[in-house]
Amino acid sequence: GESVGLHLPTLSVQEGDNSIINCAYSNSASDYFIWYKQESGKGPQFIIDIRSNMDKRQGQRVTVLLNKTVKHLSLQIAATQPGDSAVYFCAENRGGYQKVTFGIGTKLQVIP
Amino acid sequence: SAVISQKPSRDICQRGTSLTIQCQVDSQVTMMFWYRQQPGQSLTLIATANQGSEATYESGFVIDKFPISRPNLTFSTLTVSNMSPEDSSIYLCSVGQVGGELFFGEGSRLTVL
Repeated sequence: GESVGLHLPTLSVQEGDNSIINCAYSNSASDYFIWYKQESGKGPQFIIDIRSNMDKRQGQRVTVLLNKTVKHLSLQIAATQPGDSAVYFCAENRGGYQKVTFGIGTKLQVIP
Repeated sequence: SAVISQKPSRDICQRGTSLTIQCQVDSQVTMMFWYRQQPGQSLTLIATANQGSEATYESGFVIDKFPISRPNLTFSTLTVSNMSPEDSSIYLCSVGQVGGELFFGEGSRLTVL
């Protein structure tokens, strides 16, 4: 289930299940969205991106969905593995200039 | 992609002192940015490091507290001045191209006592 921790919301999933991480963005002018994965003690790592002229994009085991009507972004991870345990951030780029704003993040815990 | 090296990776500092963090990129990049990540929180943009001109600071961050240098297209420094415990954070250097994703260094974890 999902719960709000001291700082970051946490999502716990069983290994092998699918994970869905949600994000609400704030600026309707944002035209580029990115998901990052941050493992403990490391910098954020790019996972997948999507532009505002699309509503779905698939990568290897990951899918990003964009709903511009309600300003919502989601990251789906298929067959979640222990190595997927990390904090996931959505980020939005506001109009060409490379100024990226990050969401609050979700901690994904994979239960073996 | 770009390989970004930050130094120091971590440090413990005394209140009132200053620390300079270095960021070296393995290729020339137009855009370099400095972010702060407080414990258990998200990333907040401090400033854009501009080559050949003064950095552009975000609301809530000022040059006197966070002076930035960008002497060329592969290197930048961020100084955290007159530190207090509230400055304990991870400071992250990132680079990117306009319209593309950002790449991050491993971060510099700063603890102020």
